Amino acid sequence: GENVEQHPSTLSVQEGDSAVIKCTYSDSASNYFPWYKQELGKRPQLIIDIRSNVGEKKDQRIAVTLNKTAKHFSLHITETQPEDSAVYFCAAGGYQKVTFGTGTKLQVIP
Amino acid sequence: GAGVSQSPRYKVAKRGQDVALRCDPISGHVSLFWYQQALGQGPEFLTYFQNEAQLDKSGLPSDRFFAERPEGSVSTLKIQRTQQEDSAVYLCASSPWTEQNTEAFFGQGTRLTVV
Repeated sequence: GENVEQHPSTLSVQEGDSAVIKCTYSDSASNYFPWYKQELGKRPQLIIDIRSNVGEKKDQRIAVTLNKTAKHFSLHITETQPEDSAVYFCAAGGYQKVTFGTGTKLQVIP
Repeated sequence: GAGVSQSPRYKVAKRGQDVALRCDPISGHVSLFWYQQALGQGPEFLTYFQNEAQLDKSGLPSDRFFAERPEGSVSTLKIQRTQQEDSAVYLCASSPWTEQNTEAFFGQGTRLTVV
């Protein structure tokens, strides 16, 4: 089955700086890569996703890149704000089933 | 309702007790997923339904876990003879089931504590 590794497990950045979270996956058949944000005690919410026929996707301050050859994908958050503080999960799979990474706790320091 | 609804929000069970967790998906969503999330971990896949058909139950940790969705809408996750290692948040998610719209919407989860 799919195995997703996510790094780092914790990340602290100053407000306004960029944050980068990286994930690797094992199953070359995976074609869907969503990223979820989960605030403390709340449900995971999709923030951006990318499919295997696209190398990069951007939505305002958030961007995701995908390298299918190397089987890794990354989340980039620019101009970080305190409200970006949360746990971020990457996932990989198909639209029937995804496997989640272990999460990155992002802290944005004002 | 506007989102995925799960009940109860919190459940405390004595070891050995059976529990049933309910999920009301977004109306019209064909796909329904159950995940188990341990403290400080990512959600782990348990099972997946397309309408009433359970297409994948590979993530269910033991035969004490059983899920159903008899009419293709509401789903119930049942855990028999609960053990302490079953303590976790159980998340339900639903999705429209199209290649164009694959976003999974999560419920608030049920926090199960087995004592």
